[in-house]
Amino acid sequence: EAGVTQFPSHSVIEKGQTVTLRCDPISGHDNLYWYRRVMGKEIKFLLHFVKESKQDESGMPNNRFLAERTGGTYSTLKVQPAELEDSGVYFCASSQRSWGGYTFGSGTRLTVV
Amino acid sequence: RKEVEQDPGPFNVPEGATVAFNCTYSNSASQSFFWYRQDCRKEPKLLMSVYSSGNEDGRFTAQLNRASQYISLLIRDSKLSDSATYLCVVIPLSGGSYIPTFGRGTSLIVHP
Repeated sequence: EAGVTQFPSHSVIEKGQTVTLRCDPISGHDNLYWYRRVMGKEIKFLLHFVKESKQDESGMPNNRFLAERTGGTYSTLKVQPAELEDSGVYFCASSQRSWGGYTFGSGTRLTVV
Repeated sequence: RKEVEQDPGPFNVPEGATVAFNCTYSNSASQSFFWYRQDCRKEPKLLMSVYSSGNEDGRFTAQLNRASQYISLLIRDSKLSDSATYLCVVIPLSGGSYIPTFGRGTSLIVHP
């Protein structure tokens, strides 16, 4: 079984630019989550998709972040325009159930300079 | 108060030692509990779920105390390969949805 795949693994962009992160969940997993870990802090929830619908996006920091999951398969997280404080590791996770069994992707390390 | 709090680290122990981590959570409506392990610059990986009756997987034992709102992880006979950050994950039911909430993690260093 293929795991959760994230692309790119690293991204370095300048402040003000746009970056799009992609997550391919495990096939058949309806639940898809985005998380972010800023250095020295805990992993923070950003949002949760059930199929193509946003179940909860209470963790999204502001309107510079836009997540989509068209067709209920892969998801993208766009940051536009990027700010310095957006730097961190963005993890995607998927699961069959919403209350556990999360499998994480290897993350995208975003550096905004 | 943070939603999920863990022992501050790092824990620095010799091979063969027994080490225990605690984690407290603030939301009494929490439904599910897990321990994840995260190696340096890698993604978190599920170590074990935590059940109300307590559960064991080899050298690892997890306990849940709902009354006191804490979970624990005990590692016996530590191996060098156990060196990692251990993340406590709590799943509260909030506003009709389950939002996995992470602790900051506890770093374990096992030395020869």
